[in-house]
Amino acid sequence: EAGVTQFPSHSVIEKGQTVTLRCDPISGHDNLYWYRRVMGKEIKFLLHFVKESKQDESGMPNNRFLAERTGGTYSTLKVQPAELEDSGVYFCASSQELRGREQYFGPGTRLTVT
Amino acid sequence: DAKTTQPNSMESNEEEPVHLPCNHSTISGTDYIHWYRQLPSQGPEYVIHGLTSNVNNRMASLAIAEDRKSSTLILHRATLRDAAVYYCILDKGSSNTGKLIFGQGTTLQVKP
Repeated sequence: EAGVTQFPSHSVIEKGQTVTLRCDPISGHDNLYWYRRVMGKEIKFLLHFVKESKQDESGMPNNRFLAERTGGTYSTLKVQPAELEDSGVYFCASSQELRGREQYFGPGTRLTVT
Repeated sequence: DAKTTQPNSMESNEEEPVHLPCNHSTISGTDYIHWYRQLPSQGPEYVIHGLTSNVNNRMASLAIAEDRKSSTLILHRATLRDAAVYYCILDKGSSNTGKLIFGQGTTLQVKP
């Protein structure tokens, strides 16, 4: 069974540009989560999809971030326009059930905004 | 959100058991206790979880105190590959969407 995959593994962009991160969850997992770690900080929750619906987006930092999950399969996270403080590692995770079940994380996308 | 407290760092010798403690004194009756770890340059990895009873799997054991205000992750024989940051996380009550709230975790160093 393939794990959670993320693309790209690393992205370097200039301030003001747009970047789109992609996450492919484990097949059959309805729950998809985005997290990120900015330099020196803890891993923080961004949002949660159940199938194609946003269940909880309380962690999204501002309206420069847009997440989608069309068709309830893969998800994209777009940052537009990117700012320096957006640099960090963005993780995607998926799970089969909500509570009491493990989340499977991808390797992350390292975003560097210069 | 319920908070967990872990030591910042611990050391262990290779092939010896490791006991990683976690305090969660504000835990509620329906909170699951999860443990994840993050190896260098990788995403977090699920280790184990439990509710009330002790749990064992191929990776580790989880010992939960009777009052559930603390738990201990047990690695039976540490290897160099177990060097990682270990996170103790509470999966809160029914209102939670399942999101994980990470703290700073415990950085485990394993010495050969």
